[in-house]
Amino acid sequence: DVKVTQSSRYLVKRTGEKVFLECVQDMDHENMFWYRQDPGLGLRLIYFSYDVKMKEKGDIPEGYSVSREKKERFSLILESASTNQTSMYLCASTGTAPSSGANVLTFGAGSRLTVL
Amino acid sequence: AQSVTQLGSHVSVSEGALVLLRCNYSSSVPPYLFWYVQYPNQGLQLLLKYTSAATLVKGINGFEAEFKKSETSFHLTKPSAHMSDAAEYFCAVNSGGSNYKLTFGKGTLLTVNP
Repeated sequence: DVKVTQSSRYLVKRTGEKVFLECVQDMDHENMFWYRQDPGLGLRLIYFSYDVKMKEKGDIPEGYSVSREKKERFSLILESASTNQTSMYLCASTGTAPSSGANVLTFGAGSRLTVL
Repeated sequence: AQSVTQLGSHVSVSEGALVLLRCNYSSSVPPYLFWYVQYPNQGLQLLLKYTSAATLVKGINGFEAEFKKSETSFHLTKPSAHMSDAAEYFCAVNSGGSNYKLTFGKGTLLTVNP
């Protein structure tokens, strides 16, 4: 019954490495999101996409980029990982039509990234 | 602009006691409001949502929340806490329409003591 799948639950990378976090949803949702979760800071939006090849910056896009080549897949890219990007990353999606539960985000289980 | 303030980063209750988690919002347009729960090592899941219908909203696991426009609040309650309610709870707001972005509060960690 898994609907939003994040490919890696735990990753350990070194400073300066390029990191890819993958997210796939099987609900045919138009909108996909990447959030970062840190203790005491809640969830902060990094990037979101409302259609294939479309993207918009969220509240904290610096140091990140995204790719959406197919509707079901939304990738978060850290071009050169830094220690301050150690965090939990959550992917989410939502549809547009009311029948698909518009405005209700479905989350993946998260990817915990440690940058050494 | 929209924002959410959750009062209390950590709430501790005894099993069987009332649970009250506070959320105040700011929104320039009528808001959609949500409560999400996150159990350890899991993603977030929806508890309940307010989308301008009834002001008292019932969710899963016996939780409910009341939208009070005059107080700009959307507090989450449960009459009797269970050990399984221990989790982190997030309040979130969006301004609806074509804007599907949610703005989240910083979260409240609920501890339930036996």
